[in-house]
Parts: sequence; structure tokens; C-alpha cells
Amino acid sequence: GESVGLHLPTLSVQEGDNSIINCAYSNSASDYFIWYKQESGKGPQFIIDIRSNMDKRQGQRVTVLLNKTVKHLSLQIAATQPGDSAVYFCAEIPRGSTLGRLYFGRGTQLTVWP
Amino acid sequence: DGGITQSPKYLFRKEGQNVTLSCEQNLNHDAMYWYRQDPGQGLRLIYYSQIVNDFQKGDIAEGYSVSREKKESFPLTVTSAQKNPTAFYLCASGRTPLNTEAFFGQGTRLTVV
Repeated sequence: GESVGLHLPTLSVQEGDNSIINCAYSNSASDYFIWYKQESGKGPQFIIDIRSNMDKRQGQRVTVLLNKTVKHLSLQIAATQPGDSAVYFCAEIPRGSTLGRLYFGRGTQLTVWP
Repeated sequence: DGGITQSPKYLFRKEGQNVTLSCEQNLNHDAMYWYRQDPGQGLRLIYYSQIVNDFQKGDIAEGYSVSREKKESFPLTVTSAQKNPTAFYLCASGRTPLNTEAFFGQGTRLTVV
């Protein structure tokens, strides 16, 4: 069943600051962890993923960190912009899954204010 | 442009009626999924399909049915047996076997009146 959860449901940051969105997971037998962004009234969009044998992965303005010791995943957004305001979901794919089904957490609402 | 299209965007249903939500993709993806999203909640999997003419129940399949007669299409029927159907429904597609990057449609908001 679903094992991905989030520390905080909401996060407010000032434009230009860095944002850190956290996610705790209980299922250590997962191959991939993924972050999705969902803007209001739209479907989620893939941001970045990280394989379970990695600790860090960087994308454009985003960095995902995986701490397997404490089962913690985070998404860092550099120089947060108003367009980053959205709900962010972490998700996971169980190890060995050939079905590609995703297990989603509840989400964190990120609000960026000027 | 390649993508995944859901229709309609808004749908109203009377109690006791069945309704069908459309999902079409032209990404040539084998896998397709239906998720339900309630306010303040994550996405919960209703049904998924890896290949034409085959599909499996997800975590909350009761009161729903699907078909996968064509690779491009994965319609979802919300039956009268679904006790609380008011929700935001999201269809997604992805490559197999690994699918970290699922492509989602814009969603259908279903309201029971």
C-alpha cells in the first residue's frame, strides 16, 4: 500500500529564496523516488527522479536529496519564482515493479509571495 | 503535438447514473492509468493497463470499470455502485517497464448532483 508521506502540508517562501520540500517514506524497498508538480486545476507534471542507489541528483534549479538512513526525500528549488507555486507530490516505485505504478504522498502546497 | 487528452473537463452526474470519462493519448505509450484525487489528498490508483486488452485493479477499483480496446484509449466508467464519486479524475500514460515519468491529462472534475 501507500507508504509515502509528507512532513508539512503547506510552505510559504519569498520570491528569490530557496525552497525545501520534504517527504518521509516507510517503504525501504523502492527502486525510484520521484517528484511531481501540480498546478491548480491541472494534472501533475514530472520534475525529477532519483534511483535508490543515489544520494543526490540535480536538474534545472532543482535538486533532490535521498537519505536512506532516515528514509527521507527532499526537493530543493533554487531562486523560487511565482510560477513555482503549486502542490508538490513525492512518489515511489517499488523495487522490482514491472508495472510502473506510482505510489503518491499527500502533497505540499508551495506558495511564493513577492 | 503529442499528449494525453481527457474529456470532458467538467461532468455532472445524477445519483444512480453511470458516466464514462474519456482518455486518449498519442504518445504511443503502452501503459495507462486512472487516478482519483480528493481535496487535500494524494492520488489514488483506480485501474491500470500495461497493454491492450489487459488491465488490473488498483487500490480503489470498487464502483469503477475500464476497457482497453485500443492502445490510444482507456475510458473509465463510474458506475452507480461508486458511493462517493465526486472527485477529480486524472488519466496518465507512460512507457513500460519503467515509468517514473508519467504523463497526465488535465483531469475531469466529476460532481454528483
